[in-house]
Amino acid sequence: SQQGEEDPQALSIQEGENATMNCSYKTSINNLQWYRQNSGRGLVHLILIRSNEREKHSGRLRVTLDTSKKSSSLLITASRAADTASYFCATGQGGSEKLVFGKGTKLTVNP
Amino acid sequence: DADVTQTPRNRITKTGKRIMLECSQTKGHDRMYWYRQDPGLGLRLIYYSFDVKDINKGEISDGYSVSRQAQAKFSLSLESAIPNQTALYFCATSDRGRSGANVLTFGAGSRLTVL
Repeated sequence: SQQGEEDPQALSIQEGENATMNCSYKTSINNLQWYRQNSGRGLVHLILIRSNEREKHSGRLRVTLDTSKKSSSLLITASRAADTASYFCATGQGGSEKLVFGKGTKLTVNP
Repeated sequence: DADVTQTPRNRITKTGKRIMLECSQTKGHDRMYWYRQDPGLGLRLIYYSFDVKDINKGEISDGYSVSRQAQAKFSLSLESAIPNQTALYFCATSDRGRSGANVLTFGAGSRLTVL
């Protein structure tokens, strides 16, 4: 069963604007990861945040984690048309070696 | 060459046929996974393997089987394909590396259509 649920399901913005996607999950986690998928292609890992971290940055990406609310957000600043893709959160839970993926947010950045 | 290679990339078959999807990797990772992606449902884990002698069922293993022929090769079989197995299938690999977390490297996907 899905652990993470992304919100919104779809997001359309103009180039240069910021895009924020949220992920909520149900059980305790060791880490939370974000992946990007360009249409019909394989997923690519973007960033990982551990359960004892609150915020992490990588280039134009900023990820926050609130374990009390069981939620995370991914912020993409100064978006570009090339950021158009689906974004998935995935959680690593307890002693499990499995990653559980959410259903994704489809981001469209209009030129 | 890609780190994780899946073959075939596209396959159309008929109900009842046996299908094998193959995955090979050059990353030297111990762990390999098969996921299935359906529109609106995200990715669901079918099977995973931590080494050649270790095979584990995921959340949707019914109707599927796997074989880990070598560290670098992990194949997924549909013994008797049915239309609701039409989906995009992904192979992925990981090692815990320095991060201590399971970061996955995905193949490009195999699109399977069962008529």
